[in-house]
This record gives sequence, C-alpha cells and structure tokens, in this order.
Amino acid sequence: EPEVTQTPSHQVTQMGQEVILRCVPISNHLYFYWYRQILGQKVEFLVSFYNNEISEKSEIFDDQFSVERPDGSNFTLKIRSTKLEDSAMYFCASIGGRNTGELFFGEGSRLTVL
Amino acid sequence: KQEVTQIPAALSVPEGENLVLNCSFTDSAIYNLQWFRQDPGKGLTSLLLIQSSQREQTSGRLNASLDKSSGRSTLYIAASQPGDSATYLCAVFEGGSNYQLIWGAGTKLIIKP
Repeated sequence: EPEVTQTPSHQVTQMGQEVILRCVPISNHLYFYWYRQILGQKVEFLVSFYNNEISEKSEIFDDQFSVERPDGSNFTLKIRSTKLEDSAMYFCASIGGRNTGELFFGEGSRLTVL
Repeated sequence: KQEVTQIPAALSVPEGENLVLNCSFTDSAIYNLQWFRQDPGKGLTSLLLIQSSQREQTSGRLNASLDKSSGRSTLYIAASQPGDSATYLCAVFEGGSNYQLIWGAGTKLIIKP
C-alpha cells in the first residue's frame, strides 16, 4: 500500500539553527500539507501546497517557515532559525485531489529544540 | 470559525465493553469528517472517513456516524480490547475556500484487561 514517508523521525537541534524536514508524498497525489502537534496539544495546520506553490497557510506559518518541492518527489519544510517553541511533532500529509477524500499522513518527524 | 470538540477527554473502561466517543463541530459546511487513532509519541492512523453526504461508515469493530445538520459524529467501538488503547482524534475538512483539516483535542481511551 502506498504511503507517505518522512525523515528524520527525530531531530535534536540548538535554538537558532536551521532545520529541514523531508517528506515523500504518495506518488500520484497532488496536494501536500504540513501539520504540527506540540506535545499534549491539538494538531495544527501549517500550510498546504499545490501546483508548486503555497495554497493556504496558517498564522503559525510565518517568515521563519518555508516549503519547497525541489525535485518532483520530495516535499520539504524548512525552519530558518528554530525557537524553543518550535519543538513539536511535524506531520506531512497528501491527498489525491481537492474533493477525493482522505488525507494520508506520514509517521511524523519529532523536532526537539534545545 | 470552525471548532471541533471531543467529549470525553479521557475514558477508561474494562475490556469487552462497547463504547462511544463523541465529536461535535460548529459549522456544518464540511466536506467530510475523518477519525484517527494516535498511539503515544506516534503518527496519525486514519480509521474512517465519512463524506458529507454519508451517514455512517464501518470498518471491523468500528462504526462512525455523521449528523451534519446537528454538527455531530460518533465513533462506536464494539467489544473493546486492550490494543484499542490510544488517543482517538476527530477532524473535519472545512468547506469554503479552506481545504484543510480542523482537529479536535482527542479522547484518550484506556481499555483495562
């Protein structure tokens, strides 16, 4: 069964460092998402991406965040200068089409900022 | 603004019981609703997806219902097992121009052997 894969599974970084989280969505999917979940809190929407550009983004997704699809398969989330409050689980998801149904999620990347 | 609420926040029941988890949402203009399972420190596993035109979906011992007009969904788990212990999350696809999931805080379920 096709799946969304994310790397790394866990990354520890120092405050102020740049972090790149990587995702490989399901190959024929068209819409890609990043969500995050701070420990003990709700899952929160960060950004959606379609046709090589951001479709929607939340208030959380400020200038420190960026997304890219550099090579047609990977979908990356970059945090330019990490803060302590960026520590969270980051989930990538993909969906085949705008009204086709369910989102498929990766296993998540746990980011710990020290 | 869409808000999703899950009640109860936590539930502990003996093995073998049937149970119901509740999810409510404030804006009935949704595309669909999805139930997920999350084990501690792990990812999100999709359990059931109900389209806005459907009233229920079933998968094994799980049955999810949707009443869009009243803004409610329930997840029914039959003959609960210790392996069902996890946090169950409800999420709705917003209608309008935002195609994203809006999440509840989850119900933490413990099934006692």
